[in-house]
Amino acid sequence: DTEVTQTPKHLVMGMTNKKSLKCEQHMGHRAMYWYKQKAKKPPELMFVYSYEKLSINESVPSRFSPECPNSSLLNLHLHALQPEDSALYLCASSWGGEVPNEQYFGPGTRLTVT
Amino acid sequence: GENVEQHPSTLSVQEGDSAVIKCTYSDSASNYFPWYKQELGKRPQLIIDIRSNVGEKKDQRIAVTLNKTAKHFSLHITETQPEDSAVYFCAASSTDSWGKLQFGAGTQVVVTP
Repeated sequence: DTEVTQTPKHLVMGMTNKKSLKCEQHMGHRAMYWYKQKAKKPPELMFVYSYEKLSINESVPSRFSPECPNSSLLNLHLHALQPEDSALYLCASSWGGEVPNEQYFGPGTRLTVT
Repeated sequence: GENVEQHPSTLSVQEGDSAVIKCTYSDSASNYFPWYKQELGKRPQLIIDIRSNVGEKKDQRIAVTLNKTAKHFSLHITETQPEDSAVYFCAASSTDSWGKLQFGAGTQVVVTP
């Protein structure tokens, strides 16, 4: 299995809702990433988990809360989002370790905040 | 931190012609340079990558060159086809960055038949 899967594909939520995005990989990768991508822009790194520990938080607002329950799963909990948080949220995974290597991206969750 | 600049922002080519996209980076510690292709509504997919100990790498119609001294790397696509139409992103990463990729702004490539 060489795929990263993400659910849901689309999500519409109000500013007072709480929702979660899910990401899963079964490639044995030990690094997992959350990116935010706006239209016609490159992916923007939000969080990095390495060996299930948070390694990088790119100064993301606390209304985004990541969680890595195990080496195959990555969640992003959303609460009290703003309309400007509407974007494509991409999950990625890689082997991890010191040497950078290929990141495999999931198909993304298209989030709309109303 | 690392800064990656990518040019051009848009590129129109006739089918069968070559396309070249150029990126420059600022951090001399960067040692991994992937290129991603993203079709409309799809996920970014790696098409080729190069490490700093290599000057050139080729995979069929796609090649990447790296000039460490000048801190720039380029993507070359030969014999372009309509299915090459997409946004292409270059990126850079280094050993001490926990896998963080610094992306360029992207190049919209349009191949016209």
